[in-house]
Amino acid sequence: QVQLRESGPGLVKPSETLSLICSVSGSSFTSHYWSWIRQSPGKGLEWIGGIHSSGDTDYNPALQSRVSMSLDTSKNHFSLELTSVTTADTAVYFCARRASGYFSWFDPWGQGTAVTVSS
Amino acid sequence: NLLTQSPGTLSLSPGERASLSCRASQSVATRSLAWYQQKPGQAPRLLIYGTTNRANGIPDRFSGSGSGTDFTLTITYLEPEDFAVYYCQQFDSSPYTFGQGTKVEI
Repeated sequence: QVQLRESGPGLVKPSETLSLICSVSGSSFTSHYWSWIRQSPGKGLEWIGGIHSSGDTDYNPALQSRVSMSLDTSKNHFSLELTSVTTADTAVYFCARRASGYFSWFDPWGQGTAVTVSS
Repeated sequence: NLLTQSPGTLSLSPGERASLSCRASQSVATRSLAWYQQKPGQAPRLLIYGTTNRANGIPDRFSGSGSGTDFTLTITYLEPEDFAVYYCQQFDSSPYTFGQGTKVEI
């Protein structure tokens, strides 16, 4: 059974960098996009981006200038960095596996981690 | 591609039929439309992919239909565990967007 779990600080100061890790168990990294999605009351569910097992990345243009993702297959995890955060980045952050083929979907998801941006 | 779901809230009783709409601002290929269910404090759960295909373990009272810009999720017989928020989502063009959700409440 594939399981994903997010980890990272729950509080980040404005202008600093938000860093999260998603630990993966029960799945190879091959042939999937490993994705980050966030959810806030104001903006609903927002796709942040993804990284393929090949290392290719695909970011939301609205966040592209501040987002970086990486994959560490030796540690079975992938990471998100979001720079220069503001209060608008306060959200629950989910990691998810995205199927990459004729069809696509996000499944499974991690349980989510709440991040608050505040001084 | 903006996805607009309606209604915002659907008030129904167990045993009734629910019909949830998702309208896209630009045409979406049928293979690129998915539906998710989310309960409070939980992550979204995949229900339907490719407009009509149920994900593993999803009961057949859930069905999806549609094409172009108009898509529908139907729950033929509401069970108590089906009261939740439902989201449509498109993979046709980046950025991959979600609808704002329809809450199905008792």
